[in-house]
Amino acid sequence: NAGVTQTPKFQVLKTGQSMTLQCAQDMNHNSMYWYRQDPGMGLRLIYYSASEGTTDKGEVPNGYNVSRLNKREFSLRLESAAPSQTSVYFCASSEEGGPLAKNIQYFGAGTRLSVL
Amino acid sequence: SQKIEQNSEALNIQEGKTATLTCNYTNYSPAYLQWYRQDPGRGPVFLLLIRENEKEKRKERLKVTFDTTLKQSLFHITASQPADSATYLCAQTGANNLFFGTGTRLTVIP
Repeated sequence: NAGVTQTPKFQVLKTGQSMTLQCAQDMNHNSMYWYRQDPGMGLRLIYYSASEGTTDKGEVPNGYNVSRLNKREFSLRLESAAPSQTSVYFCASSEEGGPLAKNIQYFGAGTRLSVL
Repeated sequence: SQKIEQNSEALNIQEGKTATLTCNYTNYSPAYLQWYRQDPGRGPVFLLLIRENEKEKRKERLKVTFDTTLKQSLFHITASQPADSATYLCAQTGANNLFFGTGTRLTVIP
């Protein structure tokens, strides 16, 4: 099993350009997540999808949009990239993410994004 | 709002010693506390989970404790090895997601 697969691994954008980060999981998980990781800030949740057909904002959603295309795939879109969006982006999935759930998350390898 | 803190940014220990990492949380007790390992250039990998009503959990050389009075979890690696060098993240469960600490970078010196 591949687990959680993210593409691309690296990307350089100019300010104002748009791009979509792709994420797919093959574990039949219900919940999927997008995080960004910055030095000294830890992992911060951008958006999540508790189940197919639903998406919700996390801690830092501004400047991003998401699509839960089907149960396997959850994409993150930057419509107009800004230098403040330079970061490492991680996609994760879990079997279930409700308030009483263990919510053990499985992460992809990350996308390293630089916005110039 | 929930907040979780790992006070030590970095920890260096000698090979063979026990490494102890600390995680403190504020506000209400989470249903679960989790620990992850992250190697440079890679995503976090789940290690251990402990429930609110459990005091201790073990897995091979790893041990996690959960003290709801102190609002603290301790993560121990016994007989540490250079291969244990990595960043360790703690996370608490929230309504629909996890809240992560900033991590402690552990270096085991041969």
